[in-house]
This record gives sequence, structure tokens and C-alpha cells, in this order.
Amino acid sequence: AQKITQTQPGMFVQEKEAVTLDCTYDTSDPSYGLFWYKQPSSGEMIFLIYQGSYDQQNATEGRYSLNFQKARKSANLVISASQLGDSAMYFCAMREGQEYGNKLVFGAGTILRVKS
Amino acid sequence: DSGVTQTPKHLITATGQRVTLRCSPRSGDLSVYWYQQSLDQGLQFLIQYYNGEERAKGNILERFSAQQFPDLHSELNLSSLELGDSALYFCASSEEAGLAGGPGTGNEQFFGPGTRLTVL
Repeated sequence: AQKITQTQPGMFVQEKEAVTLDCTYDTSDPSYGLFWYKQPSSGEMIFLIYQGSYDQQNATEGRYSLNFQKARKSANLVISASQLGDSAMYFCAMREGQEYGNKLVFGAGTILRVKS
Repeated sequence: DSGVTQTPKHLITATGQRVTLRCSPRSGDLSVYWYQQSLDQGLQFLIQYYNGEERAKGNILERFSAQQFPDLHSELNLSSLELGDSALYFCASSEEAGLAGGPGTGNEQFFGPGTRLTVL
């Protein structure tokens, strides 16, 4: 079964507007972590933001925020004030409990294109 | 720059051959992870090492093997290569093996630039 689901293969957003990238996850482990990574066309994977399952507040990092809805098992990434440089592939990933080591399970990704 | 280095950046080889990919983690990181990114399989975890010992295994083929050396660098060995092994191979590193410090600890993984392997 898919552990991480990103239902939007591609998204467009106008420069300076906000955009939400969807991510839902599936786990029965009470202790887990959720991550978002950005992959520009150059190929590198850039860590953006982290949310722990026990964290009480939604994570924020600059223009990135994570809308964590635990009951719905969703961890959507919100990018505010989009910039042309935000155009990239975005991956949601999950790490489950410690018995699994620290491996990340990734979603299929969402391609974001920012229009000027 | 994540601080994780990978060599080589590109590798072109033929079916049946063997190659070695090398990774140096960020200074102070004890865990190294290998991931494979291909068009049909997406990003998949292969294997994790922590301070020289294998910690977790994912969808790694028997033709593939890895190790982490005392200086913490890691190598991924791919043998009897097939066309389907063509992919981008990432190494990542983190400070700890798992949920160090208890729940809520990020222990995020920092990725290297990847090695693009093309098997002809």
C-alpha cells in the first residue's frame, strides 16, 4: 500500500501568490516524521521542512509552512509569495518508528511551475 | 551545498559491468543512506549504515552491496549491471540512526548531488 500519496502531478502558480502542495500519509506507528524536499531541474535534493508526529504546532521555515492535520493524516506544504526559483519537483516523505532505522519513504512528487 | 559529496557525478557503462559509487557524509554525521531515483520506481530507499554497521535495508537487489568505512565514507557497489539499473543514485547523511532524542527530533537527511548512472 502507498505510504505517501501526492495527488497533484503538476501545479501552476502565479508569481507572488501562495500555493499548497498536498500530501497524505499512511502509518500505524504513533511516532513518525514528515519531510518535504525540493528537487530543481539540476537534480539535487534540498531539505525544506520537517514535522514530527508529536509536535503541537505546525512547522514553519521562512516562506514554507507545513499544514499538519494529524487526524486526516495530511501534511500539506504551503509556499507563500511564490518566486520563479520555486519551480521544481517537490517530494513529501515520511520516516516511521525507530525499528525501521531512519529510512525515508517518498511520494511520487509534484512538479510546481511558477509563472511570471 | 549540503556538505555531502558524491563521486562520480556521471557514470556511463555497459550491461554486465560493475561500478562503485562513493559518498562522503557531512562532517559529524554517522549515518549514511543510499537511495535510487528512476522514472518508473521513483525515489526508493536502498540501505542505511550507521557508524560502520548496516542499520536498515530496503529494496536493494542482491547484485548491489554497500559498506561504510571507519572514516565514515560509504561505497555502493553495483554489479552485473542491467539497463534497468540506469538511475540517479543519491547518498544522504544524518547525525543519528533513527529518532535520536525521542519523538519530534528532526534528524533530517541531507542529500548529496547524486551520481547519474547510465547503463548502455
